[in-house]
Amino acid sequence: EVQVVESGGREVRPGGSLRLSCAASGFTFDDHGMSWVRQAPGKGLEWVSGINWNGDATGYADSVKGRFTISRDNAKKSLYLQMNSLRAEDTALYHCARTTGSSYYYGMDVWGQGTTVTVSS
Amino acid sequence: QSVLTQPPSVSGAPGQRVTISCTGSSSNIGAGSDVHWYQQLPGTAPKLLIYGNSNRPSGVPDRFSGSKSGTSASLAITGLQAEDEADYYCQSYDNSLSGSGLFGGGTKLTVL
Repeated sequence: EVQVVESGGREVRPGGSLRLSCAASGFTFDDHGMSWVRQAPGKGLEWVSGINWNGDATGYADSVKGRFTISRDNAKKSLYLQMNSLRAEDTALYHCARTTGSSYYYGMDVWGQGTTVTVSS
Repeated sequence: QSVLTQPPSVSGAPGQRVTISCTGSSSNIGAGSDVHWYQQLPGTAPKLLIYGNSNRPSGVPDRFSGSKSGTSASLAITGLQAEDEADYYCQSYDNSLSGSGLFGGGTKLTVL
């Protein structure tokens, strides 16, 4: 079965750090770009970050640039999001998603159920 | 305020046709960036409906279609069904050095 499963979300204090992971299975991981998308409670979707198949190209939303870092380990079929200097407005459900091609610019056709990040004092 | 603008809500009766617009700018859709569309049912992860402006993934009914012109794109749904009631999002990319992704604010479709 083709799937991605996120982990690592928890409650953290403002200013803290967190690393999210996404484990892929059922497909050739290094054929695909990957992205992180978040959704705050009751709000719409927000694209957070994306990475090409080999990691040589990445992109970030302005809201997280300089604080978040996306990376991948193709040997482990895993995607990561290092989140530093967390703010209350980063509170959301974070989804990992596979794109239909090698770039993160393609549509996202496989989504995980998400992992919840809560930033609160 | 999203960079891609969608109407907050649309509605239609069963069997009717509705369209959802997505308006961008010369920095994204107008610069040639592809548009993708997603359907999100309550409490579930988004589902890809249309990719690359007008392509349907396997399994998506042909009642759903996408188009793009200039700085805008549209999603059309024909033969509305009760199960189409959901939130719909367009997505594209900023065609600059940032290469950041963009989502529209989402449109709630109500089937009357």
